[in-house]
Amino acid sequence: ILNVEQSPQSLHVQEGDSTNFTCSFPSSNFYALHWYRWETAKSPEALFVMTLNGDEKKKGRISATLNTKEGYSYLYIKGSQPEDSATYLCAGAGGTSYGKLTFGQGTILTVHP
Amino acid sequence: NAGVTQTPKFQVLKTGQSMTLQCAQDMNHEYMSWYRQDPGMGLRLIHYSVGAGITDQGEVPNGYNVSRSTTEDFPLRLLSAAPSQTSVYFCASRGEGGNQPQHFGDGTRLSIL
Repeated sequence: ILNVEQSPQSLHVQEGDSTNFTCSFPSSNFYALHWYRWETAKSPEALFVMTLNGDEKKKGRISATLNTKEGYSYLYIKGSQPEDSATYLCAGAGGTSYGKLTFGQGTILTVHP
Repeated sequence: NAGVTQTPKFQVLKTGQSMTLQCAQDMNHEYMSWYRQDPGMGLRLIHYSVGAGITDQGEVPNGYNVSRSTTEDFPLRLLSAAPSQTSVYFCASRGEGGNQPQHFGDGTRLSIL
């Protein structure tokens, strides 16, 4: 099982602040790293899927980077807004078990107006 | 445009009862998974499938059975419900390969008395 860890567990920021969180995973047998956004009472929605070392993806004010050699990914939110409040999940697919996507425990982001 | 459909949305069972949570997807995805969400535990993988006729265990498979007779359907069976299985269950699917984003159903909230 791919062990995926996220930090911090929770984060409170003010509207307009920029923030980032970390996802770490074993660098051996890595295949893909996923980021999801999960709002309360909804289902997780995919933000990014990254596979290559050095990958950078961007969607509006949210971006992510991937370092497969050292086993981490960062998610950045620029100019946080209250509607960014959600749980952000990362998940890893490793080795030959492409079908198995293992999630970290998530980072709960609260953006205060 | 149904995506991943889970039924029922809510269910209350008595200890020892059995039931099946249904999951269907209309995107012709090869990979399907069942997760449970518990407070502070993130999403934990119960069982997954990489295609019709192929299933495998995730992190927390005990007390659950799955089968995949068609590409579209991936039911989850609780054999003898226990209070520890009270949780929110999510079914998900994605295309072949670890670099495809995962699509989630709306979840089933299950309470075992």
